[in-house]
Amino acid sequence: DTAVSQTPKYLVTQMGNDKSIKCEQNLGHDTMYWYKQDSKKFLKIMFSYNNKELIINETVPNRFSPKSPDKAHLNLHINSLELGDSAVYFCASSQDSRGSDTQYFGPGTRLTVL
Amino acid sequence: AQSVTQLGSHVSVSEGALVLLRCNYSSSVPPYLFWYVQYPNQGLQLLLKYTTGATLVKGINGFEAEFKKSETSFHLTKPSAHMSDAAEYFCAVSERGGYNKLIFGAGTRLAVHP
Repeated sequence: DTAVSQTPKYLVTQMGNDKSIKCEQNLGHDTMYWYKQDSKKFLKIMFSYNNKELIINETVPNRFSPKSPDKAHLNLHINSLELGDSAVYFCASSQDSRGSDTQYFGPGTRLTVL
Repeated sequence: AQSVTQLGSHVSVSEGALVLLRCNYSSSVPPYLFWYVQYPNQGLQLLLKYTTGATLVKGINGFEAEFKKSETSFHLTKPSAHMSDAAEYFCAVSERGGYNKLIFGAGTRLAVHP
């Protein structure tokens, strides 16, 4: 049983296209996150949702739009893809939004923009 | 603003040798502290965390870390390295009293040679 799953695992697309990445967690957690890991392995938070409400929205281009249809799902839609969007995107979840709570990460989605 | 510094982007040890990965944080108030491990092409897995109480924290796979407030450090150690410990290690912090927003260090690649 995968706790945090992401689809697809790999995504290769052309500049200018629109794509979505899906995330699901079966841990019963209230809070979910999106992180971006660049080519130098640097990890940075993008968004966080708690009970379907956006609580963290870092400085991310408007082309990125998260959507949480329910507590168990957090999707990431990216419009007008650019070369610089190439990265590994990780979804994570935690029991709640407290700073001490452990975050559980998915396996990642490797996005390559050509 | 909080920040995390991991000294040494690459650390190489012999199997059976001591592992020491360094992490220093910058924050006006001591944050919550985490160590995550990332194996190749996988997501991140929590090794251990410090939230409150005893400053020496034991984690999985024989790792431990000690929170030293006076040194603003949270170094990760393991007495005897195993080949399976080869991975990328990330130190991270989140703010006390704030949302669960992990700020990561740049990571340390640990290589273990026979």
